[in-house]
This record gives sequence, structure tokens and C-alpha cells, in this order.
Amino acid sequence: GQQLNQSPQSMFIQEGEDVSMNCTSSSIFNTWLWYKQDPGEGPVLLIALYKAGELTSNGRLTAQFGITRKDSFLNISASIPSDVGIYFCAGPGGGGATNKLIFGTGTLLAVQP
Amino acid sequence: KAGVTQTPRYLIKTRGQQVTLSCSPISGHRSVSWYQQTPGQGLQFLFEYFSETQRNKGNFPGRFSGRQFSNSRSEMNVSTLELGDSALYLCASSSGFRDTEAFFGQGTRLTVV
Repeated sequence: GQQLNQSPQSMFIQEGEDVSMNCTSSSIFNTWLWYKQDPGEGPVLLIALYKAGELTSNGRLTAQFGITRKDSFLNISASIPSDVGIYFCAGPGGGGATNKLIFGTGTLLAVQP
Repeated sequence: KAGVTQTPRYLIKTRGQQVTLSCSPISGHRSVSWYQQTPGQGLQFLFEYFSETQRNKGNFPGRFSGRQFSNSRSEMNVSTLELGDSALYLCASSSGFRDTEAFFGQGTRLTVV
């Protein structure tokens, strides 16, 4: 079945540093979604990507849909303490439906003030 | 616009009991998907309901079931609870069509003792 490999598993950085994480799929996706989850809460949608090569920003966050359609990247610039959390990539499972998502294993981000 | 509402936030049940969780999607959304999140397995898709019909199903035993009402609200039921059912149960709301975004509720934390 489809799998999403997300890396790195965790990152421990200083406030102000830039962060990069990526996600690769064993099959082609037509949509990539990036979520952030705080402990005990539901994932919050950060960025949605719908076209290969697409680059989309949301404040200090920038995500790209890889041209092979099998990968995606998320960058956070000038990190701040509230960026702490787990970041997940997700893609549609089965027929391109985003109401049946496959999730990556997550990247835990810790930011030291 | 109100977000996705899940109730209750926390539940403690005993092995063998059954439990019902509720999800109210974003107004106008017709699709509700349910996910189970555990430290070991991550986020896994349970099932999706669209217009009161189960449209997609994940690889979970028949003890996990759901339904959707005409106002798009959805319930999830787990019968004969096992210790391994302890998890954060999340529901996601979307329009139900391809290439659309999925928004999550805060989740219900179920603990089985």
C-alpha cells in the first residue's frame, strides 16, 4: 500500500533558525497537505498543494509540491517558540480523495528560545 | 464559521464496554472522516461518510463502526473495547470532493482500562 516517509523524525533548533523537512511517497500524489499538531489537539492545516512544482507560502511557512509528484517539502523561516509541535505531511489515499488521508510519521520540532 | 466539533474531549471506559463519539463538521461540509492516532501506529484512517453513506473504509475490525445523519453530523462507535483501543480519535471535515482540504477537530482522548 501507499506509504509516506517523513524526515527528519525530530529537530532541535535555536529560535531564529530556518527549518526544512520533507516527505516522500511510494506512489504519485495529486495533493499534498501539511499539518501541525500540538500535544492533545487535532492537526491544524497549514498549507495545501495541488500542482506539481507548486510553491505556496503561509507567513513564515513555505511548502513545495515536488515535480515528480512523489515528494513535498516544508520550510519554516526564522523559527519562534510557538513553532514547537509535530508536523505531518498527508496525501490522499485511494482515488485522490482527501477525505481518506495517508499521513507521514511526523517531524517533532523543538525550538529553544 | 465554526470549526469541527468533537465531543466528548475525554473518555475513560472499561474493557468490554462500548463507546460512542460524536463529530459535527464545518457547516456545508458533507464528508466526515475518522482517524485513530496512537504513538505506535500514528494517524490511521478508520472510515469516511458522505451524505449518510460510508464511502471509504480503512483496515479496522468490525467493532469500529459509524454513521452519519442528514445534517452531516457523524458518530463513531467502538464495541467490546480493548486496551489497545486507547487512542486519540480525530474526525476531519471536508466538502467531500477531490482536491479539497480536510479540517480536523480537537479529538476525543479515549482511555480503556
